[in-house]
Amino acid sequence: AQSVTQLDSQVPVFEEAPVELRCNYSSSVSVYLFWYVQYPNQGLQLLLKYLSGSTLVKGINGFEAEFNKSQTSFHLRKPSVHISDTAEYFCAVSQGGSEKLVFGKGTKLTVNP
Amino acid sequence: DAGVTQSPTHLIKTRGQHVTLRCSPISGHKSVSWYQQVLGQGPQFIFQYYEKEERGRGNFPDRFSARQFPNYSSELNVNALLLGDSALYLCASSFHYSRNTEAFFGQGTRLTVV
Repeated sequence: AQSVTQLDSQVPVFEEAPVELRCNYSSSVSVYLFWYVQYPNQGLQLLLKYLSGSTLVKGINGFEAEFNKSQTSFHLRKPSVHISDTAEYFCAVSQGGSEKLVFGKGTKLTVNP
Repeated sequence: DAGVTQSPTHLIKTRGQHVTLRCSPISGHKSVSWYQQVLGQGPQFIFQYYEKEERGRGNFPDRFSARQFPNYSSELNVNALLLGDSALYLCASSFHYSRNTEAFFGQGTRLTVV
């Protein structure tokens, strides 16, 4: 069975500071990894995905993530955050690209002025 | 192009009632998945359909059922509603059920059971 652990439930940061949201996964088979963002009262928007190839993945809105197979991690980073990045972020894993996504519990990022 | 559309956006039901939620996928997408997101948690997989066939089912009771129509739209049905069924129900569509495709999510239906 697959599982995802997001190590921080809440991360407060100041505007223009760097941020890292941590995600670890467990799986006995090769997986695909995703980060989604959810703004209040909205659905999920895909930030970035790792399917294969380069372990450093760049996504939308200046976010990037690095797949580390030995540490089973897929941490999300942004060098300088904006107030508009305030949202909840979910890490997810699947065996197929869109097949049965398994989500973590989410990390609430709050960017303060 | 229209994204994934779900209806209704909000719904209030009484315990024991039945509810039907609807989802229209992105044009050309043949796979639809349903997820339940309880407040403060990540989404949990309920069903996936591809070409009108069930491809996967999550750990939900038989009170939950779904189907996919020839135009690839989908319905999620929940019988004998419980207070614990209160959640945001998300629909996601994709071109295929796997094959390196990504899932696009709708805005969700907020179900409140009282």
